[in-house]
Amino acid sequence: SQELEQSPQSLIVQEGKNLTINCTSSKTLYGLYWYKQKYGEGLIFLMMLQKGGEEKSHEKITAKLDEKKQQSSLHITASQPSHAGIYLCGAEPAGGTSYGKLTFGQGTILTVHP
Amino acid sequence: NAGVTQTPKFQVLKTGQSMTLQCAQDMNHNSMYWYRQDPGMGLRLIYYSASEGTTDKGEVPNGYNVSRLNKREFSLRLESAAPSQTSVYFCASSINRYSNQPQHFGDGTRLSIL
Repeated sequence: SQELEQSPQSLIVQEGKNLTINCTSSKTLYGLYWYKQKYGEGLIFLMMLQKGGEEKSHEKITAKLDEKKQQSSLHITASQPSHAGIYLCGAEPAGGTSYGKLTFGQGTILTVHP
Repeated sequence: NAGVTQTPKFQVLKTGQSMTLQCAQDMNHNSMYWYRQDPGMGLRLIYYSASEGTTDKGEVPNGYNVSRLNKREFSLRLESAAPSQTSVYFCASSINRYSNQPQHFGDGTRLSIL
């Protein structure tokens, strides 16, 4: 089965610092989704990447998918306390009949100190 | 616009009791999903329904049953609850399993089994 490995597992940064979270797959991906979760709440969709080499940005968050479609990174520029939470990557493997059956990484807990 | 609504938000059960977790979406989505989230393990798919009238097993279906009551509602049933089923349960929906659209999540049901 496909596995997604996120790193780091947790991250503590000072407000204003840049940071990167990585998500690595053991298989080629059909689609890669980034979500943010605040404690006690559901998952909020951030971005979806599908093409090798694709990069998307929203406000201060940029996500990239490598050319081989096996690794994605999420970069936050000039972090703010509002960025704190758990970031999860979810993915569908390429091929087969697994459409819609997302596998998730274990999550990265981000703390931003004012 | 409510999105995905889960009830109840919290529940405590005794081992052996049964209960049904309810999920409803108002986005006219065809596909619906049930996940469980455990510390350090990300989200794992329990069951999903690609469309009204169909259900399929996910990664961890043992001990659960589901019913796709209509297009809007997808319920998860624990027939005889076990302590290993203590978890946070999330329901999600998407336009369909083949689209390049993300899954939208509810706020979760926190279930403790004593």
